[in-house]
Amino acid sequence: GAGVSQSPRYKVAKRGQDVALRCDPISGHVSLFWYQQALGQGPEFLTYFQNEAQLDKSGLPSDRFFAERPEGSVSTLKIQRTQQEDSAVYLCASSFGSRTGELFFGEGSRLTVL
Amino acid sequence: AQKITQTQPGMFVQEKEAVTLDCTYDTSDQSYGLFWYKQPSSGEMIFLIYQGSYDEQNATEGRYSLNFQKARKSANLVISASQLGDSAMYFCAMREQETSGSRLTFGEGTQLTVNP
Repeated sequence: GAGVSQSPRYKVAKRGQDVALRCDPISGHVSLFWYQQALGQGPEFLTYFQNEAQLDKSGLPSDRFFAERPEGSVSTLKIQRTQQEDSAVYLCASSFGSRTGELFFGEGSRLTVL
Repeated sequence: AQKITQTQPGMFVQEKEAVTLDCTYDTSDQSYGLFWYKQPSSGEMIFLIYQGSYDEQNATEGRYSLNFQKARKSANLVISASQLGDSAMYFCAMREQETSGSRLTFGEGTQLTVNP
């Protein structure tokens, strides 16, 4: 497809389980971002990649969160030992470095931790 | 301190009327960009409009226009001739020169409801 693709769209995990969320950005987009969006709030930055290099991970809330983009295209956000406060929508966005720098978002992965 | 403030949690407008969604921002950068995104119930964030801090003209994109008042640090979104499909969450966002890549900082959003 032409847009940013995320999977799974919905994930229910028991507290303590590990989860992996996948993002397939728009082909050719160098920059990739992960955001966390809690219910009723705006997206909060988690981490940023330029190609395969993770240039900023200052938004990751704890060391249980890990992201990778080994070949500079598909990215995976992994959350270890999930907690209830991890319940949120995880949005992936990509950008090709235009003058305006707008981000193109996927539909998100909604994580519910029981 | 909040970098992006949207003071209207919810707004209502009649179909075909115009509506203004408020956004104020806080930055010490001279070069920055301001964005508006729409998020329908499906969840995808849809880019609407962009305003650069050095752009002299207010941005317009179809029925969307951005009322940029630099001295007041405000970037209000104006939607003209509202349609039922405009009902959604609207987010104002900013990109600062010193932040990495094209990272955006978002406000908390305004829920717009268009009534028939």
